[in-house]
Amino acid sequence: GENVEQHPSTLSVQEGDSAVIKCTYSDSASNYFPWYKQELGKRPQLIIDIRSNVGEKKDQRIAVTLNKTAKHFSLHITETQPEDSAVYFCAASEDTGRRALTFGSGTRLQVQP
Amino acid sequence: EAEVAQSPRYKITEKSQAVAFWCDPISGHATLYWYRQILGQGPELLVQFQDESVVDDSQLPKDRFSAERLKGVDSTLKIQPAELGDSAMYLCASSPRVPSRVSPQYFGPGTRLTVL
Repeated sequence: GENVEQHPSTLSVQEGDSAVIKCTYSDSASNYFPWYKQELGKRPQLIIDIRSNVGEKKDQRIAVTLNKTAKHFSLHITETQPEDSAVYFCAASEDTGRRALTFGSGTRLQVQP
Repeated sequence: EAEVAQSPRYKITEKSQAVAFWCDPISGHATLYWYRQILGQGPELLVQFQDESVVDDSQLPKDRFSAERLKGVDSTLKIQPAELGDSAMYLCASSPRVPSRVSPQYFGPGTRLTVL
């Protein structure tokens, strides 16, 4: 089955700096890669996703890059703000609708004002 | 904006007791997932339904866990008997049916279970 590893487990940045979270996956059949943000005591919320037919996707201050050859993908947050503080999870699955997501272990991001 | 509903939000029980969690997915979503999230870890799939049928329950501890989605809408996850190691957040998620393609999953608020 799929195995997703996520690094770092914790990340502290100054407000305005950029933050990068990296994930690797093991199953070459995976081609859908979402990122979720989970604030303390709240539900995971989808913030961005990418499919393997593209290498990069941006949405305002958030971007995701994908390297299928190396089997890794990354989340980039620019101009970080205190409200970006949360736990971020990467995930992977086949793009067939027949598989659930396999999640990474999470990254706790703290943005210092 | 439609959201996945779950109840109860919190449940405290003693080991060996039975517990049940309920999930109501976003209207029209064909696929429903139950995940377990242990503190400090990512969610792990327990069971996946497509309409009323189980698609994947390979990680469901079937000696004590059961799940059903009888009419293909809401779902119930049951644990009997509960063990100390079952303490976790139980998350339900749903996604719409998109032929031959995965679609985003939307999560409910979860049920936090504490087994004493």
